[in-house]
Amino acid sequence: KQEVTQIPAALSVPEGENLVLNCSFTDSAIYNLQWFRQDPGKGLTSLLLIQSSQREQTSGRLNASLDKSSGRSTLYIAASQPGDSATYLCAVRPNRGSTLGRLYFGRGTQLTVWP
Amino acid sequence: NAGVMQNPRHLVRRRGQEARLRCSPMKGHSHVYWYRQLPEEGLKFMVYLQKENIIDESGMPKERFSAEFPKEGPSILRIQQVVRGDSAAYFCASSPAADRHEQYFGPGTRLTVT
Repeated sequence: KQEVTQIPAALSVPEGENLVLNCSFTDSAIYNLQWFRQDPGKGLTSLLLIQSSQREQTSGRLNASLDKSSGRSTLYIAASQPGDSATYLCAVRPNRGSTLGRLYFGRGTQLTVWP
Repeated sequence: NAGVMQNPRHLVRRRGQEARLRCSPMKGHSHVYWYRQLPEEGLKFMVYLQKENIIDESGMPKERFSAEFPKEGPSILRIQQVVRGDSAAYFCASSPAADRHEQYFGPGTRLTVT
């Protein structure tokens, strides 16, 4: 069974720092990996999607990398801002079996960026 | 193109009542997924549906929970005889015809059972 772990669970940093959020998964047979942002009481906003054949994706100040063989992904946030404060979720989609449709989520990293 | 719509956004039910949660997928999307987020926990898959078909319901509790996605109208997640432990945020996602596309999430329905 696929398990997704995110480290750290919480992170509090001053504005301007560069950050690395970590995600690991136990089954490397994935189709893709997604990073989401969740604001308190709100839904999920997709940030980046990396296909299993890709090594990284970039969007603005965000860069996500994927090492499928070792079961790891990192989300890099450059020059953090208070508006980046949210919970960041990592989710993987399996590549086989009867569970093709579902995403497996980690518990998230709660990020606070203070001015 | 409107995103995934869910209603109601907030729902309060007393123990023993029924809860109906609705999800309208994005236009052109025929695949719908329901997830539940319990307090202090991650999102857990519940059920995956296509129009008029349940593809995978292995994440759904065996009793009191049911889901449908009719030919016309929204997908509905139904919880009968709610209990306090059902209090959670329920998220719906949709994707286009092929089941390997990115999933787009709605804003969620927050169910509170008193």
